[in-house]
Amino acid sequence: AQKITQTQPGMFVQEKEAVTLDCTYDTSDPSYGLFWYKQPSSGEMIFLIYQGSYDQQNATEGRYSLNFQKARKSANLVISASQLGDSAMYFCAMREVQTGANNLFFGTGTRLTVIP
Amino acid sequence: GAGVSQSPSNKVTEKGKDVELRCDPISGHTALYWYRQSLGQGLEFLIYFQGNSAPDKSGLPSDRFSAERTGGSVSTLTIQRTQQEDSAVYLCASSLARNSQFFGPGTRLTVL
Repeated sequence: AQKITQTQPGMFVQEKEAVTLDCTYDTSDPSYGLFWYKQPSSGEMIFLIYQGSYDQQNATEGRYSLNFQKARKSANLVISASQLGDSAMYFCAMREVQTGANNLFFGTGTRLTVIP
Repeated sequence: GAGVSQSPSNKVTEKGKDVELRCDPISGHTALYWYRQSLGQGLEFLIYFQGNSAPDKSGLPSDRFSAERTGGSVSTLTIQRTQQEDSAVYLCASSLARNSQFFGPGTRLTVL
């Protein structure tokens, strides 16, 4: 089974509007971390936001917020006030803590296009 | 430098040749990761180094792939007898804490 599922291969949003990128995860590890990365056409992976499984509040970083619904195993990224520079691939990733896995498991990504 | 650096940025090689890819992590970061990203795909974990501990090689796809990390800093990923399916972007990341991994710009490998 996929550990990270991103069901939206592509999304469009009007400039200045908010957009939600979906991410669901699958793990039996009670302790885990969830990450979102942005990958523009230049190819670099830019860290956006992190949510720990025991964090009581949803993570926020500027225009990025993570809608963490633990019971549903979802960790959707919300981008507010979209800008043209937000056009990129967005990857959701997870790290399992107690299983001892050292790496991040990545989803297949969502390509976001911001329309002027 | 301030971030993770990788070299070369692009590498074109012929099938059967060996290649070496280099990663300079952020200074002071004890953990270093190699990932591979094939066209249109997410990232696939290859190998992980943490300090002086034995590396986690569980993601290496075959024995043609190897990596080392000298002096707890610079790492080299070596692919021997390259195959066309090795064509991908190879990304290196480093971290100091579990809640972040910072990536380099990647090396785009093309095997003809």
